[in-house]
Amino acid sequence: QGQLVQSGAEVKKPGASVKVSCRASGYTFTNYYIHWVRQAPGQGLEWLGMINPSGGSTTYAQKYQGRVTLTSDASTSTSYMELSSLRSEYTAVYYCARGTYSHYDLGHWGQGTLVTVSS
Amino acid sequence: EIVLTQSPGTLSLSPGERATLSCRASQSVSSTYLAWYQQKPGQAPRLLIYGASVRATGIPDRFSGSGSGTDFTLTIRRLEPEDFAVYYCQHFVTSVTFGGGTKVEIK
Repeated sequence: QGQLVQSGAEVKKPGASVKVSCRASGYTFTNYYIHWVRQAPGQGLEWLGMINPSGGSTTYAQKYQGRVTLTSDASTSTSYMELSSLRSEYTAVYYCARGTYSHYDLGHWGQGTLVTVSS
Repeated sequence: EIVLTQSPGTLSLSPGERATLSCRASQSVSSTYLAWYQQKPGQAPRLLIYGASVRATGIPDRFSGSGSGTDFTLTIRRLEPEDFAVYYCQHFVTSVTFGGGTKVEIK
């Protein structure tokens, strides 16, 4: 069934960038889109975007266009989410996820990565 | 962009009771990409229902999904203690949208 393992927690200063990784195993990496979802403390789920690891095409949520960059490396079965010009309101848990029955029903999730933005 | 509105925000029920959660879309959407998730504190979301009404593997049959067009419903037939959590609906057209969530809490 496979799993997604994310990189560890990060603490960043305002204005900096952060890059979170999501390593896939147990399935063919290029067969499923990788999605990125954030969850601010006490808040709901917010979709950032998705990447097709086969070819690297991306789709971003309009709100995060130009702020988030998604990439993938098929040689290491790893997807990356880079968030730039960090502000305190970007403090959140960031999840990667992939589809199970289609590209868009997210049946497999990483464990989440807490990104804290603080001066 | 499609907006998904979930109601109620909080549902206070006792174990054994029936829970009915609503997800309303701002315009008619395809059922094909309508999903429901459960999330417990400190955990990643868990897929319950996809295609509006199909249970994901391993999901108990007390969970059921229904609806079409703009109105979708997640029903939990008899609440078990482990069902008290937050539930989100989600849809995909050209991008993914989540509803704001419904918290099912113990009365």
